[in-house]
Amino acid sequence: AQTVTQSQPEMSVQEAETVTLSCTYDTSESNYYLFWYKQPPSRQMILVIRQEAYKQQNATENRFSVNFQKAAKSFSLKISDSQLGDTAMYFCAFMKQGETSGSRLTFGEGTQLTVNP
Amino acid sequence: NAGVTQTPKFQVLKTGQSMTLQCAQDMNHEYMSWYRQDPGMGLRLIHYSVGAGITDQGEVPNGYNVSRSTTEDFPLRLLSAAPSQTSVYFCASSHGGTGVYGYTFGSGTRLTVV
Repeated sequence: AQTVTQSQPEMSVQEAETVTLSCTYDTSESNYYLFWYKQPPSRQMILVIRQEAYKQQNATENRFSVNFQKAAKSFSLKISDSQLGDTAMYFCAFMKQGETSGSRLTFGEGTQLTVNP
Repeated sequence: NAGVTQTPKFQVLKTGQSMTLQCAQDMNHEYMSWYRQDPGMGLRLIHYSVGAGITDQGEVPNGYNVSRSTTEDFPLRLLSAAPSQTSVYFCASSHGGTGVYGYTFGSGTRLTVV
């Protein structure tokens, strides 16, 4: 079974600064996907960024980027130029590759990020 | 394009009552799932389906039933509600099983069992 751990329950950052959220995972699989989801106070789950494990290049989406260290089983999220709208709960998630595994996301505990003006 | 629609958004049940949480998607997604969200525990998979007529258990299936008679609908049934089932429930859907297309989540149902 896979496990995902987010060791930072809460973090805060000043507007316009950079913050990094940590995520580690444990798996015996070699092919998988990793995700970061954002959950603002509206409760809606929003996909921020995804990473395929077979790709060495770190994924980026505008101000969001990841540091994917496969050997260390680490998948951190960096948010640059933080904005007030980035205030949310952030979840790291793992999914094993494979047709029958396609609906099985394993989530971490979440990190509550607060961006201060 | 409504995406994933969950109803109701809020519900209070008495212990022992039954109810069905509704989930519908209009994107022709094959994969649908139910998760529950509890503080400090992230989201945990209850049941999932890879297509009409096919369902399977996730991490925390006890106390819940599902069925998938159509591609669009994936209801979650609580047969005899217990206080431990107080949680926020999310339905999610995806086109294909590789995660490449991402998952679309509903807006959640906050359930309180008293």
